[in-house]
Amino acid sequence: EVQLVESGGGLVQPGRSMKLSCAASGFTFNNYDMAWVCQAPKKGLEWVATISYDGSSTYYRDSVKGRFTISRDNAKSTLYLQMDSLRSEDTATYYCASHSYGSRRWFAYWGQGTLVTVSS
Amino acid sequence: DVQMTQSPSNLAASPGESVSINCKASKSISKYLAWYQQKPGKANKLLIYSGSTLQSGTPSRFSGSGSGTDFTLTIRNLEPEDFGLYYCQQHNEYPPTFGGGTKLELK
Repeated sequence: EVQLVESGGGLVQPGRSMKLSCAASGFTFNNYDMAWVCQAPKKGLEWVATISYDGSSTYYRDSVKGRFTISRDNAKSTLYLQMDSLRSEDTATYYCASHSYGSRRWFAYWGQGTLVTVSS
Repeated sequence: DVQMTQSPSNLAASPGESVSINCKASKSISKYLAWYQQKPGKANKLLIYSGSTLQSGTPSRFSGSGSGTDFTLTIRNLEPEDFGLYYCQQHNEYPPTFGGGTKLELK
């Protein structure tokens, strides 16, 4: 059974940093592109970033480029999201998601999310 | 970015009924649309991708149709576990974008 378990969320002040982690199990992690998707309170889903299976390629939404960094450790089957210069509008639940094998078009499996609150 | 608009925002139905949820893209996305179900306390679930292809494990009462800019998710013979939020997502181009969601509630 595929499991994606996020951690690292919490309350952080504007301008500070936070690093999210996602522990993956139940599938061959290093064969799949991975992503982060967020959902602001009472709002819809928004793609944040994607990383290729081997970490060689990364993709970001415009609003986080230069502030967020997606990375992975295939030896640990873990996905990361380093979030710097956080803003109040970054407040959201952040979901780790796997793309499907050989495609980074849709999101095949999701974690339950970790809440990040940016506030002073 | 491709804007995705879902309708209706809210929908009330009873078990056994059939419902349809619509999703409209701001430009043609060919057949490349996915549908997800979101329920409190559970991981989001991929139901359908490429417009009409059921993800493994998706019950056959779910079906997707459409191409270009207009798409529909149909759920036939609603089961109690089908109530929740539904989102569409275009996967024709980056960035992938989602619709605003449709809340399917018990009547």
